Amino acid sequence: GDSVTQMEGPVTLSEEAFLTINCTYTATGYPSLFWYVQYPGEGLQLLLKATKADDKGSNKGFEATYRKETTSFHLEKGSVQVSDSAVYFCALRPTDSWGKLQFGAGTQVVVTP
Amino acid sequence: GAVVSQHPSRVICKSGTSVKIECRSLDFQATTMFWYRQFPKQSLMLMATSNEGSKATYEQGVEKDKFLINHASLTLSTLTVTSAHPEDSSFYICSAYTGTGIYEQYFGPGTRLTVT
Repeated sequence: GDSVTQMEGPVTLSEEAFLTINCTYTATGYPSLFWYVQYPGEGLQLLLKATKADDKGSNKGFEATYRKETTSFHLEKGSVQVSDSAVYFCALRPTDSWGKLQFGAGTQVVVTP
Repeated sequence: GAVVSQHPSRVICKSGTSVKIECRSLDFQATTMFWYRQFPKQSLMLMATSNEGSKATYEQGVEKDKFLINHASLTLSTLTVTSAHPEDSSFYICSAYTGTGIYEQYFGPGTRLTVT
């Protein structure tokens, strides 16, 4: 079945450091890929998405490129801030699904001043 | 942006009792709502898909009679955990989907259920 694997956390880094969170997936066809962010005490928010191979999603300085050849959708940010501390979820929506999402386990990111 | 609320945010109940959790879309109509369960340090697990005016579709392994879902209007879905037991303690999250093609689900803040 479809699945999403992302790196375990917590990831701790200093302000202005470079952030990478790895995400790989297993799915048939051409799923859509998403990154969601969950700030403490809040619900999940869509951070960025990509719906086809080679698409690059970007938002708030974060980027991720849909790589079908490596079945990956790694999240990157060049210079993190303390306010980026949150849990990040990689997710996919299968080709034959109009709404269902399959989530990765989530990666907690802690940014220190 | 679209806002989804959940009520209550936290609830503690005794074993054997039932608990109802509400999920509301505050500024848009949601043709579909999803209910997820999240265990500590684990991912969200889809429990069921709720379509307004029809029966919910449950994922494999989710007990329909234990987790009753009602989606009576385009802005409200409820999840009732019946005869709760300590193993039902978890974080329950709903999301609302407009179904208009934006392909975005709007998530509620979650409800922490503790069964004693």
